[in-house]
Amino acid sequence: DTGVSQNPRHKITKRGQNVTFRCDPISEHNRLYWYRQTLGQGPEFLTYFQNEAQLEKSRLLSDRFSAERPKGSFSTLEIQRTEQGDSAMYLCASSPDLGRGAFFGQGTRLTVV
Amino acid sequence: AQKITQTQPGMFVQEKEAVTLDCTYDTSDQSYGLFWYKQPSSGEMIFLIYQGSYDEQNATEGRYSLNFQKARKSANLVISASQLGDSAMYFCAMRVTGTASKLTFGTGTRLQVTL
Repeated sequence: DTGVSQNPRHKITKRGQNVTFRCDPISEHNRLYWYRQTLGQGPEFLTYFQNEAQLEKSRLLSDRFSAERPKGSFSTLEIQRTEQGDSAMYLCASSPDLGRGAFFGQGTRLTVV
Repeated sequence: AQKITQTQPGMFVQEKEAVTLDCTYDTSDQSYGLFWYKQPSSGEMIFLIYQGSYDEQNATEGRYSLNFQKARKSANLVISASQLGDSAMYFCAMRVTGTASKLTFGTGTRLQVTL
């Protein structure tokens, strides 16, 4: 499968715990994005990587959130001290530099209890 | 700032009929792209169609076409010959050139195709 892959697909965690999600983009894509989607809403931009450089972060990305793309390939999104408001679908997308659109993974659905 | 508005929370269409999903956008930029994505219950966002702000022709991709009216700032999606598998959420999105190519999404329209 050569699409964008996200793991895990589902995560249930207790409030206050840390969680980490992984995204493997399409191999030749330099750009990688994280979005968050809550119920009844469209996805909202969180952060953007060009290769290994994190070039843009949304104000939605509080200090408890950190994202990395250490070798310009896969990326991780960590949420520390999770809160119930963090419950959402976390979507990863990748695109080539001159591409028209972004290709999305199937997302990680986080439930904080 | 960019904004996408989808005013139809839900739509019903009979199988084999055509349906139009509305999308209006707001931006002060001259160079931008408009996208439609389909999101089935599995959660994945599936790219359907793209229209560039300078494209003179309306985009078409198989059964999907985009009715682009630049002066009205609208980019409606037309699905012809609806199929049961078209039942899903549909999101309109915009990308402004030079903003890291991030997408701004609308709130979506849930389409239900009936027999």
